[in-house]
Amino acid sequence: GQQLNQSPQSMFIQEGEDVSMNCTSSSIFNTWLWYKQDPGEGPVLLIALYKAGELTSNGRLTAQFGITRKDSFLNISASIPSDVGIYFCAGQLRGGGADGLTFGKGTHLIIQP
Amino acid sequence: DSGVTQTPKHLITATGQRVTLRCSPRSGDLSVYWYQQSLDQGLQFLIQYYNGEERAKGNILERFSAQQFPDLHSELNLSSLELGDSALYFCASSVATRYWTGANTGELFFGEGSRLTVL
Repeated sequence: GQQLNQSPQSMFIQEGEDVSMNCTSSSIFNTWLWYKQDPGEGPVLLIALYKAGELTSNGRLTAQFGITRKDSFLNISASIPSDVGIYFCAGQLRGGGADGLTFGKGTHLIIQP
Repeated sequence: DSGVTQTPKHLITATGQRVTLRCSPRSGDLSVYWYQQSLDQGLQFLIQYYNGEERAKGNILERFSAQQFPDLHSELNLSSLELGDSALYFCASSVATRYWTGANTGELFFGEGSRLTVL
């Protein structure tokens, strides 16, 4: 199946810093999505991207659908303690089947006060 | 609150045993998905049901099975449990964009998960 390479695997940052993470694949995806998982909870959708080149914001979060359709980026500006968690990228193939939705292994974000 | 309900939240059992995990999707969602999350493997897709029928299968072991009932709740059955089956099991639901296939946009709503520990 498809594989997503998500990096970095973990990030230790200071409160107030900006954060960048990305996902790359050898496959072309129709949709890119970013989820966040808080400790003890299930993943929650943050941003969904449907067009190559699309740049979408959700508060302090900004994500981009790479022009090649093989990558995506998520940026978080001015991090705060509640940003702690695991961020997953996901790519959806054309057709929309559940077996066509692939998740990255996640970026663990840890914020040091 | 995603609207997806999973029970039990925690389960401890022994190798060789069988357990059943239960999921109620969001009101109106016809699709239910099961995922396994372990530390080193991330979120692994197991199986999808749409309106009572199996729609897609991922890396689900033969020892595992699932079904979706007429009221749309779903159960994941795990049998002959092994130590390596210890993981978080998530259920998710979605709105189908193509009602005859259960296809979706990738926007899934996850439950809080069931943590299974096999000793």
